Amino acid sequence: EVQLVESGGGLVQPGGSLRLSCAASGFPFSSYAVHWVRQVSGEGLEFVSGIRSNGDSTNYASSVKGRFTISRDNSKNTVYLQVDSLRVEDMGVYYCAREGTRYYGMDVWGQGTTVTVSS
Amino acid sequence: DIQMTQSPSSLSASIGDRVTITCRASQSISSFLNWYQQKPGKAPKLLIYAASSLQSVVPSRFSGSGSGTHFTLTISSLQPEDFASYYCQQSYSTPYTFGQGTKLEIK
Repeated sequence: EVQLVESGGGLVQPGGSLRLSCAASGFPFSSYAVHWVRQVSGEGLEFVSGIRSNGDSTNYASSVKGRFTISRDNSKNTVYLQVDSLRVEDMGVYYCAREGTRYYGMDVWGQGTTVTVSS
Repeated sequence: DIQMTQSPSSLSASIGDRVTITCRASQSISSFLNWYQQKPGKAPKLLIYAASSLQSVVPSRFSGSGSGTHFTLTISSLQPEDFASYYCQQSYSTPYTFGQGTKLEIK
């Protein structure tokens, strides 16, 4: 079965850090870009970060640039999102999604992991 | 970054109605436009990619059109399971961006 499973969310104080993971199975992971998209409760989708299939290109939303770092380990079929200097506005559900090429959209999504930022 | 603007932000409609949602890009994005459906508590689901291509297993009552800066998602005859939120997303340039969403509710 083709799937993505996120983990690593939790409760953290402002200024704290977490490492989110996105584990893939059921497809040739190293052939796909992976993106992180977040959603504040009751609000819309926000693109956070993306990484190309071989990891040679990454990009970030301006709201997280310099605080978040995306990486991948194709030997473990996993993408990571290191989230540092967390702010209250970073709270929400973080989804990972795969993309074959930018022509085909994000066709497989995980179930999401929740990040709560509170003192 | 490219800004995506959807309209309307909410829409009330009845079973069997034809509805259209519009998405505009702040600059030309060719046909690099995707549409997603999201139901409460669930991950988004890809409906349309490359502006007008129907994702597999998506019902044919969904269709997309447009290129450049103006795009539409049309549902030809609303079914009960179509009441959800819909988002457009550009994949023309990074960082990708989403529209603010359209919530489709039952009238």
